[in-house]
Amino acid sequence: ETGVTQTPRHLVMGMTNKKSLKCEQHLGHNAMYWYKQSAKKPLELMFVYSLEERVENNSVPSRFSPECPNSSHLFLHLHTLQPEDSALYLCASSHKLAGGPGAEQFFGPGTRLTVL
Amino acid sequence: GENVEQHPSTLSVQEGDSAVIKCTYSDSASNYFPWYKQELGKGPQLIIDIRSNVGEKKDQRIAVTLNKTAKHFSLHITETQPEDSAVYFCAAGTSGTYKYIFGTGTRLKVLA
Repeated sequence: ETGVTQTPRHLVMGMTNKKSLKCEQHLGHNAMYWYKQSAKKPLELMFVYSLEERVENNSVPSRFSPECPNSSHLFLHLHTLQPEDSALYLCASSHKLAGGPGAEQFFGPGTRLTVL
Repeated sequence: GENVEQHPSTLSVQEGDSAVIKCTYSDSASNYFPWYKQELGKGPQLIIDIRSNVGEKKDQRIAVTLNKTAKHFSLHITETQPEDSAVYFCAAGTSGTYKYIFGTGTRLKVLA
């Protein structure tokens, strides 16, 4: 595997379910991100991790819980979601967090989440 | 708040013609401008970027221009091909921060 991978690619869940999204980057990067992509809206940054420490929680509801056990893996734990949470959830990584070359973000293919 | 406006939202061109997508940003501190291409069922892929110390950058059939005074930057695709059909996103970022402000996307259709 190369680049940034995400599993599952599609997920349908009820509002009372608990599920997790997984992201893995094979690029040796130190920073990882979760974004939400909804139709006709700009990408929304949700969480940022640098060297496994969370550096950003962009006012995301507590029903979304991120976890970064190491610099290659990022999870998004989901519980008691709402139908409006249905979207494409994208993971990204970058070599460094910010500032000049090396901070470019590379995206995974996303998980298409549908909440019934 | 800070935002990036992107136009047009949809664009159809004949194969071989050029396509231009324009973005305007509001944060005068922005100095990094990436462009992403998102094909159906895939995540956004970085295709070209430009930093504020240059006015133009070219990579084969794609080019990006930046006008810092007007806070405009544009993506130019020449000799378009059907495989260029995708959604294109612009973004604006600032050195020292990881936060990109994304545009709302342009759906480009290249007609064979």
